[in-house]
Amino acid sequence: GENVEQHPSTLSVQEGDSAVIKCTYSDSASNYFPWYKQELGKRPQLIIDIRSNVGEKKDQRIAVTLNKTAKHFSLHITETQPEDSAVYFCAAAGMGGSYIPTFGRGTSLIVHP
Amino acid sequence: GAGVSQSPSNKVTEKGKDVELRCDPISGHTALYWYRQSLGQGLEFLIYFQGNSAPDKSGLPSDRFSAERTGGSVSTLTIQRTQQEDSAVYLCASSVRMGRGGNEQFFGPGTRLTVL
Repeated sequence: GENVEQHPSTLSVQEGDSAVIKCTYSDSASNYFPWYKQELGKRPQLIIDIRSNVGEKKDQRIAVTLNKTAKHFSLHITETQPEDSAVYFCAAAGMGGSYIPTFGRGTSLIVHP
Repeated sequence: GAGVSQSPSNKVTEKGKDVELRCDPISGHTALYWYRQSLGQGLEFLIYFQGNSAPDKSGLPSDRFSAERTGGSVSTLTIQRTQQEDSAVYLCASSVRMGRGGNEQFFGPGTRLTVL
């Protein structure tokens, strides 16, 4: 079946530093790439998404880049704050005719004050 | 408006018992998804509905799992003869529709199932 790989599994940074989370996917038919943030004990919530006709998208301190040739996409968080601490999931959809997002295993981001 | 809701929020059951989990999607959302999240793990896709139809049930872990959706709204996930490995958080999500280009999924708070 289809596979989305996400790295790293854990990321620890100091407040103010940047954080980068990377994902790869295997099916070139994927065309929608959302990122979800899940705080401890809470539900996943969409923070940003990108579609295959766009290479980069920014929303304040968050940006996502997409390289369709290499089949990878990344989440960039600048000027990290303690409230950014959470588990982040990437996903890819539109694979093999199915529009169901396949999720990565998640990255636990810890921002130290 | 109201988001996705799930009930119960917590369920503790004994091995071998049946459980039923409920999901109320956002009104007007035609697509509904069930996921399972084990401790510290990612989101394991179980099944989705487009309207009342579930075209692909291959994600269900075993024949002890079943799901239905009625009236294009509420969905129930039933686990028969529960096993300890069924212990997890069961998340439901809905989206306006399914289709090429993707659509934002809105997640419910989950049901934490513990099988003793």
